[in-house]
Amino acid sequence: EVQLVESGGGLVQPGGSLRLSCAASGFTFSRYWMAWVRQAPGKGLEWVANIKQDGSEKYYVDSVKGRFTISRDNAKNSLYLQMFSLRVDDTAVYYCAGGYCNSTFCHANWFDPWGQGTLVTVSS
Amino acid sequence: EIVLTQSPATLSLSPGEGATLSCRASQSVSSYLAWYQQKPGQAPRLLIYDTSNRATGIPARFSGSGSGTDFTLTISSLEPEDFAVYYCQQRRNWPLTFGGGTRVEIK
Repeated sequence: EVQLVESGGGLVQPGGSLRLSCAASGFTFSRYWMAWVRQAPGKGLEWVANIKQDGSEKYYVDSVKGRFTISRDNAKNSLYLQMFSLRVDDTAVYYCAGGYCNSTFCHANWFDPWGQGTLVTVSS
Repeated sequence: EIVLTQSPATLSLSPGEGATLSCRASQSVSSYLAWYQQKPGQAPRLLIYDTSNRATGIPARFSGSGSGTDFTLTISSLEPEDFAVYYCQQRRNWPLTFGGGTRVEIK
């Protein structure tokens, strides 16, 4: 069974740091682009960052550039998001997502599967 | 940044009826548009990618069409499990962006 399980969320003060993890199982993790997508409470989806299969390419939304770092460890089937200088508007459920693979091709920027998300709350 | 505008915000329909959801881009995204479904308390699920390709396991009642700036997701006959929020997403340009969503609710 394909599974993505996020962890590491919680309550943090503005200016603080947090590291999210995503454990993958049931598929060949190293074959997939991976991403973080967030959703503020009651709001829509916002793409945060992408990372290529071998980690050689990374892309970020402007609002997190210089503050967040996406990384992966293919040996551990794990994806990470290191977050620094957190702001109140970073409060959201953070989803780990894989680039969609069909029988012939793996896409970088269509997302499936998804984890169930981990909530990050930035508040004093 | 490409802005995606979805309409209507809410669609009130009965099971068995057809649904037509719209997504308009602020500039051309060619055919690089996808649709996702999200139910309360759940993660999104990919339905359609590259405008009209159904993802694995997605029923044939879901179809996508369009090109350039105007796109449509059509649900031919609503099943009870289809009542949810639907988002479009583009991959033509960085940053990847999502629309604000259309809620399909039971009338």
